[in-house]
Amino acid sequence: GAVVSQHPSRVICKSGTSVKIECRSLDFQATTMFWYRQFPKQSLMLMATSNEGSKATYEQGVEKDKFLINHASLTLSTLTVTSAHPEDSSFYICSAPGQLTEAFFGQGTRLTVV
Amino acid sequence: QKEVEQDPGPLSVPEGAIVSLNCTYSNSAFQYFMWYRQYSRKGPELLMYTYSSGNKEDGRFTAQVDKSSKYISLFIRDSQPSDSATYLCAMSGDTGGFKTIFGAGTRLFVKA
Repeated sequence: GAVVSQHPSRVICKSGTSVKIECRSLDFQATTMFWYRQFPKQSLMLMATSNEGSKATYEQGVEKDKFLINHASLTLSTLTVTSAHPEDSSFYICSAPGQLTEAFFGQGTRLTVV
Repeated sequence: QKEVEQDPGPLSVPEGAIVSLNCTYSNSAFQYFMWYRQYSRKGPELLMYTYSSGNKEDGRFTAQVDKSSKYISLFIRDSQPSDSATYLCAMSGDTGGFKTIFGAGTRLFVKA
């Protein structure tokens, strides 16, 4: 299957700072990527859909000024958590869609805000 | 009522057992059904992909979809300790713009 690389896998940051997470499609082009958040023992919660060359589409309740998404090329999407707070600590995962409706996920990023 | 219901477990079985994982759903528009495996602190990986009703087999894994009952299953034969992970069901209605909905995931432990 297709390979999606997500970096970093783990990050610890101080409250009030910003953190950037990268998601790259390694062997295919992705005009769309999805960003999810996952709490322990809970399902994936879609945060936003990243679209190459245009603005991201955010799900209801997700603050677009706090979670900045940039899809600058066909192989790279970034999620920046701005002014991070401890409640932003979570597991963030990106995915890129396959030819049908399957998804190829990155390895995930565990963010801890202290 | 959630669109997709999945028992979070945990489910603990001995090595070699047959494992049955299930999800129910409420939206009859779903046509594509997927199972993902997620190891701790990793992103999910696609295991099985099924369109509409029926069975699909891949090695020790069999996926079943019963659209009339809105019920899908994943069977794992001859389970191994390496199968210990969280299994998420997922479903979608169409290839264009229809969101994929994930179940909460079932934690499986296979004891050696």
